[in-house]
Amino acid sequence: AQSVAQPEDQVNVAEGNPLTVKCTYSVSGNPYLFWYVQYPNRGLQFLLKYITGDNLVKGSYGFEAEFNKSQTSFHLKKPSALVSDSALYFCAVRDEGGGSYIPTFGRGTSLIVHP
Amino acid sequence: DVKVTQSSRYLVKRTGEKVFLECVQDMDHENMFWYRQDPGLGLRLIYFSYDVKMKEKGDIPEGYSVSREKKERFSLILESASTNQTSMYLCASRPLAGPYNEQFFGPGTRLTVL
Repeated sequence: AQSVAQPEDQVNVAEGNPLTVKCTYSVSGNPYLFWYVQYPNRGLQFLLKYITGDNLVKGSYGFEAEFNKSQTSFHLKKPSALVSDSALYFCAVRDEGGGSYIPTFGRGTSLIVHP
Repeated sequence: DVKVTQSSRYLVKRTGEKVFLECVQDMDHENMFWYRQDPGLGLRLIYFSYDVKMKEKGDIPEGYSVSREKKERFSLILESASTNQTSMYLCASRPLAGPYNEQFFGPGTRLTVL
């Protein structure tokens, strides 16, 4: 079975500071991992994904994520936060070795960047 | 530019009404999905479709049905709307090739059932 956890409901950060949004996962095989962002009253937008290869994945809007197999984590990061980064962030996982064809989403983390 | 559109951004219906939510994608994607989003619960899968006329139940199919007669269109039907179906509904699509492909989401329909 595949599962994903976003341990923080909300993350607060000051503009200009680095930000991290946490995600941990559980799979039986190799994971495919995704991050999406949702701005208010909008659908989800794809940010980045990990399939295989380099553990540091770069995505849209200056975001990156670090895959850590030993800690089963895929944390989203950005070196310098912007107020416009304030949004809801979702992590998703699909188990390459599992039977599900559909990714499982986390509950989401609300990122608030203060001016 | 890829696009997934949903027929309404906001919808208000009364208890017992039959409700149709329409989703159209212009990317020739085989897979389409309907999710429900509620605060604190994240995205929950209602139904998905591998391809035309094919559908499978997701995690919370009760009270819903779907229709996929054409590749580009995936409809969600609430047979008899109830107040506990008040929610944000998100449609998504994805190409069949490659299980690691990301999903493309529509803007969502915020449904209120009175």
